[in-house]
Amino acid sequence: AQKITQTQPGMFVQEKEAVTLDCTYDTSDPSYGLFWYKQPSSGEMIFLIYQGSYDQQNATEGRYSLNFQKARKSANLVISASQLGDSAMYFCAMREVGVYGANSKLTFGKGITLSVRP
Amino acid sequence: EAGVTQFPSHSVIEKGQTVTLRCDPISGHDNLYWYRRVMGKEIKFLLHFVKESKQDESGMPNNRFLAERTGGTYSTLKVQPAELEDSGVYFCASSPPERANYGYTFGSGTRLTVV
Repeated sequence: AQKITQTQPGMFVQEKEAVTLDCTYDTSDPSYGLFWYKQPSSGEMIFLIYQGSYDQQNATEGRYSLNFQKARKSANLVISASQLGDSAMYFCAMREVGVYGANSKLTFGKGITLSVRP
Repeated sequence: EAGVTQFPSHSVIEKGQTVTLRCDPISGHDNLYWYRRVMGKEIKFLLHFVKESKQDESGMPNNRFLAERTGGTYSTLKVQPAELEDSGVYFCASSPPERANYGYTFGSGTRLTVV
């Protein structure tokens, strides 16, 4: 079974509007972390936001917020006031503490392409 | 602070040849990771170093791949001999000794094409 699922096809959003990118995950580890990364056409992977499994509140970082619904195992990324520079591929990832501890590997989803229209 | 540096940025080699990718992590980051993204697929974990030791190498596809991190600083990933299916983007990431709640810092990747 896939651990991270990103099933949306390419997403389009009008500049200045908000957009939600979906991510569901699967784990039996009670301690885990969820990450979102942005990959623009230049190729680098840019960290956006982190949510811990024990965090009581949804994470926010500027225009990015994470809608964490633990019971549904979803961790959707919300981008408010979209900008042209937000056009990129977005990856959801999970770290399970598991055997290897707090700095364990990330497991990624397939990614979602977001295009912002002027 | 310098970021994670990878080189070369691009490499085109023929099937059967050897290629060595290099990653320089952020200074002080004990944790170093290698990932790979084959075209159209997920980014897959290859292995994780803590300083010079291999903490987790469960993602290494086969014995044609050899990773080293001598002295716990930079790391190399050698593919010998390269096969067509090895083509993809190889990413390196690093994180500090404490829990990386603020993200693992990735390099820009090396795009490997095997022809």
